[in-house]
Amino acid sequence: EIVLTQSPGTLSLSPGEGGTLSCRASQSLIGRNIAWYQQKPGQAPRLLLYGASNRATGIPDRFSGSGSGRDFTLTINRLAPEDCAVYYCHQYGSSPLTFGGGTKVEIK
Amino acid sequence: QVQLMQSGPELKKPGASVKVSCKASGYTFTAYYIHWVRQAPGQGLEWMGWINPNTGGTKYAQKFQGRVTMTRDTSTSTAYMELSSLRSDDSAVYFCAKDQRDENWFDPWGQGTLVTVST
Repeated sequence: EIVLTQSPGTLSLSPGEGGTLSCRASQSLIGRNIAWYQQKPGQAPRLLLYGASNRATGIPDRFSGSGSGRDFTLTINRLAPEDCAVYYCHQYGSSPLTFGGGTKVEIK
Repeated sequence: QVQLMQSGPELKKPGASVKVSCKASGYTFTAYYIHWVRQAPGQGLEWMGWINPNTGGTKYAQKFQGRVTMTRDTSTSTAYMELSSLRSDDSAVYFCAKDQRDENWFDPWGQGTLVTVST
């Protein structure tokens, strides 16, 4: 099983500031089979990115992703208040499918 | 638009079973796998398995083997997840999610069904 470790646990940013969320896999991924989801309290997760860097439909371009092998990142540019949420990475190239433990993004 | 609509909250006693439904609309139900993911209170996401609505074939995470059964009804475009021998640590929100034809990233997700296991 591929274990995904996300850091930091909590990211505090000022409005308009940018930040980077990290997702490290326990082994190198074949292909860039990483997705990122945003989850707000009481809601289902929402797809942000797939294939490590492809934005889902309707996702603002202030969200971007990169990485390969074991290390992947989600970058949020110009934090908006509505971006406060928990962000999860997800590897879907190897069974069982697994998720990281999440990074909470909050307004400083 | 593509939507997954899940059944309502459930309260079950330990040892009982629960069956959660997920009704799909806005796309060809048999063309895409449905996955089930659960989230315990305040915790992260845990993948449980998938069903191929076209063939009824399934794949379950090892942790749930023997306790989970995923089925579907193509006449109503509905997928089901049944979990048996419930324990208190099965209390969670259960989500269904649609994957893509060749890749298992999830979009969209159902709204979630809260299952509470308590005496």
